[in-house]
Amino acid sequence: KAGVTQTPRYLIKTRGQQVTLSCSPISGHRSVSWYQQTPGQGLQFLFEYFSETQRNKGNFPGRFSGRQFSNSRSEMNVSTLELGDSALYLCASSPEAQQGTSAKNIQYFGAGTRLSVL
Amino acid sequence: KNQVEQSPQSLIILEGKNCTLQCNYTVSPFSNLRWYKQDTGRGPVSLTIMTFSENTKSNGRYTATLDADTKQSSLHITASQLSDSASYICVVSAGSTLGRLYFGRGTQLTVWP
Repeated sequence: KAGVTQTPRYLIKTRGQQVTLSCSPISGHRSVSWYQQTPGQGLQFLFEYFSETQRNKGNFPGRFSGRQFSNSRSEMNVSTLELGDSALYLCASSPEAQQGTSAKNIQYFGAGTRLSVL
Repeated sequence: KNQVEQSPQSLIILEGKNCTLQCNYTVSPFSNLRWYKQDTGRGPVSLTIMTFSENTKSNGRYTATLDADTKQSSLHITASQLSDSASYICVVSAGSTLGRLYFGRGTQLTVWP
């Protein structure tokens, strides 16, 4: 079974631009969540999608948005990039036998997209 | 305030030695605690998940313990190998949804030959 796939692996953008990151979950997983990881803050939860609906959202500004498609693939978009958005963006998927129990299941992470904002 | 503190921040040990990483948390209510291993340039990989009623869980050479009364957890690595060099992250869940996950900053473990 293929793991979680994130593309691209590396991105370089300049301030003010926007960026879209892609995540393909493990086949059969309907929960997809996104995280930002920086040396200073560690891992921080961005949002979670389940069956094309955003179910949870972390404490990030509205410049960070996402969506999920009917095949569970997800995209994350960051608009008006700032220097502080430079980070490793991780996507994770998890199986969910019962809706609303995502935090009780194992999450499988992708390798991440390394975003550098210049 | 819900927080997860890990210690030490970094650790260097010789191959074959044992080590113990610590995680203290103030998260409430408590749902579960998990340890992840993150290799450089890779995403985190789950090592163990423990609920309130579990005080020990093993995964090969990794053994996690949980004391829900003192709100402490430890990850013990036995007979370390070079491949154990990684960041180990403690994550505590305060509910059933991912929006209430609290992450530690991680312990960077380096194993020298």
